[in-house]
Amino acid sequence: GESVGLHLPTLSVQEGDNSIINCAYSNSASDYFIWYKQESGKGPQFIIDIRSNMDKRQGQRVTVLLNKTVKHLSLQIAATQPGDSAVYFCAERYEYGNKLVFGAGTILRVKS
Amino acid sequence: KAGVTQTPRYLIKTRGQQVTLSCSPISGHRSVSWYQQTPGQGLQFLFEYFSETQRNKGNFPGRFSGRQFSNSRSEMNVSTLELGDSALYLCASSLAEGGDEQYFGPGTRLTVT
Repeated sequence: GESVGLHLPTLSVQEGDNSIINCAYSNSASDYFIWYKQESGKGPQFIIDIRSNMDKRQGQRVTVLLNKTVKHLSLQIAATQPGDSAVYFCAERYEYGNKLVFGAGTILRVKS
Repeated sequence: KAGVTQTPRYLIKTRGQQVTLSCSPISGHRSVSWYQQTPGQGLQFLFEYFSETQRNKGNFPGRFSGRQFSNSRSEMNVSTLELGDSALYLCASSLAEGGDEQYFGPGTRLTVT
């Protein structure tokens, strides 16, 4: 399949520290990327997006970095809080239309 | 503004049966996409609808179908259910076809026994 979700990597951080979640995307022609947060029992929640003509975009406490040379996307969360604990997915769009291809996801655990 | 709503939230069906799931997009959004989420395969694209037309389709068998109504609400149908169809079915809406910022609903948890 296009998205394989087997054993998800886990990132454990201390409350107040910064978190960096990484994602390797598959298609060099992808023009748009989104980060989603999914809490248990809920649907994915939009966090931040970035177009392929940018390499950095900042939101509230979050920054997305895009490196097209190596097809890498990262999400930085500043001053991580317990409420940030969730599974984080990156998604890429590489066809016209709204088809998103998702990464496997990363579990973020915040220790108090 | 209300978010994406999906009904029902939980469903239990038997193998061989069929099921219909419903999605109401955010008011003003005209594009609806459906995704299947399972522990083994993650999130996978099913199809996208815009202006009552299917615009894009993922790699799923013909048992999976959908439609969109003139008010942008969408339904998806799965016929002849198999055990492997047990999953969380998610609907996402966006303003337009090819539009950015897709917002997801809470999903319908389908269990096939």
